[in-house]
Amino acid sequence: DAGVTQSPTHLIKTRGQQVTLRCSPKSGHDTVSWYQQALGQGPQFIFQYYEEEERQRGNFPDRFSGHQFPNYSSELNVNALLLGDSALYLCASSLMGSSYNSPLHFGNGTRLTVT
Amino acid sequence: GESVGLHLPTLSVQEGDNSIINCAYSNSASDYFIWYKQESGKGPQFIIDIRSNMDKRQGQRVTVLLNKTVKHLSLQIAATQPGDSAVYFCAENISPGGSYIPTFGRGTSLIVHP
Repeated sequence: DAGVTQSPTHLIKTRGQQVTLRCSPKSGHDTVSWYQQALGQGPQFIFQYYEEEERQRGNFPDRFSGHQFPNYSSELNVNALLLGDSALYLCASSLMGSSYNSPLHFGNGTRLTVT
Repeated sequence: GESVGLHLPTLSVQEGDNSIINCAYSNSASDYFIWYKQESGKGPQFIIDIRSNMDKRQGQRVTVLLNKTVKHLSLQIAATQPGDSAVYFCAENISPGGSYIPTFGRGTSLIVHP
């Protein structure tokens, strides 16, 4: 049973460029959340996708956008990259509407470096 | 600011000792709390969770205690092993009703000396 997979594992971009990160959720999960984790900090919530729609959004600018596909996989897009966007981007999946809270299952992240 | 924080950024223990990692939260409406372990180069891994209607929950070698009166959460690891070395995060759930979006604190680095 495959867990959450993310690609690529590492990425280097230049300021002003655009980037797309990809995530496949754990089998059986239908909800994908994206987090940004700066070095030495805890993960910060970006947004959550369910039924191909953005359901919740954290305090991130519109440069951050996403998409969820019918197979529940998801993409995170960041436009006009800034140096401060350098971080580990984590994807997490869960099952919406469980009779109990469903803990997030995280992938190993994509390390984005903006130069 | 963050509503979840940790008292100690780094905790060093000897192998075999018990470890206690503490966490304070400020959102009294939070009803679900989770501990995650993050090893270097990996994503956070679920350890144990607890609902607000409980004050203690035990897993394998781990126990989570919840004190709602003082808004405090702790993770106890029994007989700590070198493989327990990692950063530990507590997280609280901020969106009830099926939409699970935990808020993470800064984390505590646990170092286990053999």
